[in-house]
Amino acid sequence: AQSVTQLDSQVPVFEEAPVELRCNYSSSVSVYLFWYVQYPNQGLQLLLKYLSGSTLVKGINGFEAEFNKSQTSFHLRKPSVHISDTAEYFCAVSEGAGGTSYGKLTFGQGTILTVHP
Amino acid sequence: NAGVTQTPKFQVLKTGQSMTLQCAQDMNHEYMSWYRQDPGMGLRLIHYSVGAGITDQGEVPNGYNVSRSTTEDFPLRLLSAAPSQTSVYFCASSGTPQRGRKWYNEQFFGPGTRLTVL
Repeated sequence: AQSVTQLDSQVPVFEEAPVELRCNYSSSVSVYLFWYVQYPNQGLQLLLKYLSGSTLVKGINGFEAEFNKSQTSFHLRKPSVHISDTAEYFCAVSEGAGGTSYGKLTFGQGTILTVHP
Repeated sequence: NAGVTQTPKFQVLKTGQSMTLQCAQDMNHEYMSWYRQDPGMGLRLIHYSVGAGITDQGEVPNGYNVSRSTTEDFPLRLLSAAPSQTSVYFCASSGTPQRGRKWYNEQFFGPGTRLTVL
């Protein structure tokens, strides 16, 4: 079984400051990792994904994440946030190639990012 | 493509009532799933389907039924609504691995249905 822990339920930050949203996972097999964003009263939108290859993954809206296998982490970062980045962010994991639970995502609890002017 | 569509957007039910949440996708995806979202708990998988005629339970299946008669549609039925089923429900779909491509499970989400059970 796999699990995901987002270490911060809420992260307040001022506009133009850097931000890091932390995500740790556990799994007995190789994994694919995802970050989704949910703006107020909307559905989920994929920010970025790690499937294989380079451990630094770049996504939309200037976000990036680094896969650290030894630390079992997939932290999300942005060097300078905007008011429009205010949203809830979800880390998710699924089994990698050969896994039996194709398509099944396990989500973290979510981190609410609030960007203040 | 419309992607993943869900109806209704909002619904209020009384305890004991039944209803069906509709989900459809036009991307010819084989895999479809239903999640519920509750504050502080992220999204939890209710039921999923790997193709027409095939369904299975997720993490929180009790009180919900599904069927998959076509590739496009995956309705979620609440048989006897309870206040504990007050939540936001998301439907998602994803494709199957293609020859020469690595597996990945990017799921496309619908806009959600906000359900309140009184």
